Amino acid sequence: QKEVEQDPGPLSVPEGAIVSLNCTYSNSAFQYFMWYRQYSRKGPELLMYTYSSGNKEDGRFTAQVDKSSKYISLFIRDSQPSDSATYLCAMRRSNFGNEKLTFGTGTRLTIIP
Amino acid sequence: EPEVTQTPSHQVTQMGQEVILRCVPISNHLYFYWYRQILGQKVEFLVSFYNNEISEKSEIFDDQFSVERPDGSNFTLKIRSTKLEDSAMYFCASSEVDSLRPGELFFGEGSRLTVL
Repeated sequence: QKEVEQDPGPLSVPEGAIVSLNCTYSNSAFQYFMWYRQYSRKGPELLMYTYSSGNKEDGRFTAQVDKSSKYISLFIRDSQPSDSATYLCAMRRSNFGNEKLTFGTGTRLTIIP
Repeated sequence: EPEVTQTPSHQVTQMGQEVILRCVPISNHLYFYWYRQILGQKVEFLVSFYNNEISEKSEIFDDQFSVERPDGSNFTLKIRSTKLEDSAMYFCASSEVDSLRPGELFFGEGSRLTVL
């Protein structure tokens, strides 16, 4: 079983739709969860950062963590064509030092105008 | 806005040749990383570096790989004898020591390595 699983998509939705992106993980030691966004031919950039179970909102983006189910989600409301990118979930065990991130495979999202 | 810069953007090399990928991390960052992404696959951790030492390395990071911070600004990844399976996008990243968001890495745009 992979440590982090993410549906690679691709996912295409019309502009204005609500998008739901998900990851599951098997290692209960993961405590810190991130969503990175990667545009074509660019490096990943941090979009959302969460620690505790529950929801965290930032503008049109909501990150959800359910540690009991080992499941994290990213919701995008009122999706825009500029949201078209690959979305990577990432996680780490602690907030100590420069511990590595473990990434999902990424979901490629296209918002159709 | 500060950014991580990487050179070259694309390198083509013959199998068995040595390759050096260069990175200039964000100036006040002290944690440095290399990740790679084989086409169509996930971003994989290679190595982390702090205070002139490797902090952690993955199974991928074998004796053919090495990292160095030769001066106060550059951070390099060397592959001594490249293999076909080393073909990938290599991302350099850096982060702050006292970040309020541990795990917030700042990535460069990547160096695409093609081994023939």
